[in-house]
Amino acid sequence: DTAVSQTPKYLVTQMGNDKSIKCEQNLGHDTMYWYKQDSKKFLKIMFSYNNKELIINETVPNRFSPKSPDKAHLNLHINSLELGDSAVYFCASSGGQGGNQPQHFGDGTRLSIL
Amino acid sequence: RKEVEQDPGPFNVPEGATVAFNCTYSNSASQSFFWYRQDCRKEPKLLMSVYSSGNEDGRFTAQLNRASQYISLLIRDSKLSDSATYLCVVNRDGTALIFGKGTTLSVSS
Repeated sequence: DTAVSQTPKYLVTQMGNDKSIKCEQNLGHDTMYWYKQDSKKFLKIMFSYNNKELIINETVPNRFSPKSPDKAHLNLHINSLELGDSAVYFCASSGGQGGNQPQHFGDGTRLSIL
Repeated sequence: RKEVEQDPGPFNVPEGATVAFNCTYSNSASQSFFWYRQDCRKEPKLLMSVYSSGNEDGRFTAQLNRASQYISLLIRDSKLSDSATYLCVVNRDGTALIFGKGTTLSVSS
C-alpha cells in the first residue's frame, strides 16, 4: 500500500492556467508538507500543516494556496501558473508536530509550464 | 550562512571504496538530524537518523558533532547501488526539516 500518494504524477499545462495537486497519506501522521524541488535539485519547504492547521508558510507567492480538509489530506492549488513554477512538487508527512520526526515522501508531481 | 551546507560533490568512486560526506548546520538549537537518499527522478527516502553518540547501520555510519555543528556519513565497501544523491537534513526549531542541496555519489565498476 502506498503510504503517501500524490496525483497527478505529471502535469503539463500552459502559463496562466490554474491547477491543483492532491496528496493523501495513510500513515496516521499529524503533519503534512509541500516541498518544491527545482532544476538545481534544491528541495525547499513551502508549507506545513499539523492537524489541518497551517504551521509553516515559507514565503511562497499567494498564487499557491494549500488546503487540508482533514489531517490525511493536503492539496495544493496554484493560480496563474508561471514559467518559474516548473519543478517537481513533493508531498510528505511525519508524526508529531513535525521537525523532530523523519518524513515520508510521495513520489512527486512533475509540473511543466509551457 | 546557509542553514545546511554539504560537500559540493560529485564523488566518483570505484566499487569497494570508502567514502565520507560532510555537512554543517547553522542553527545551534537543532535537535534532530537525518541522512536521506534520493535516486534520480525519485522521491527522497530516509537513509538513517543521526544520534548524538553516532550510529551505524550496516555499511553506513553517521556521526554528529554538536560543538562544531557538523554531521558526517561514512559509506564502507561502496556498491553500484549506492549511486544516488545524499541529503543532509536538520530540523529547524522543531517545526520543519531543512534539506541540504545534496552530494551526488557515483560508484563505478
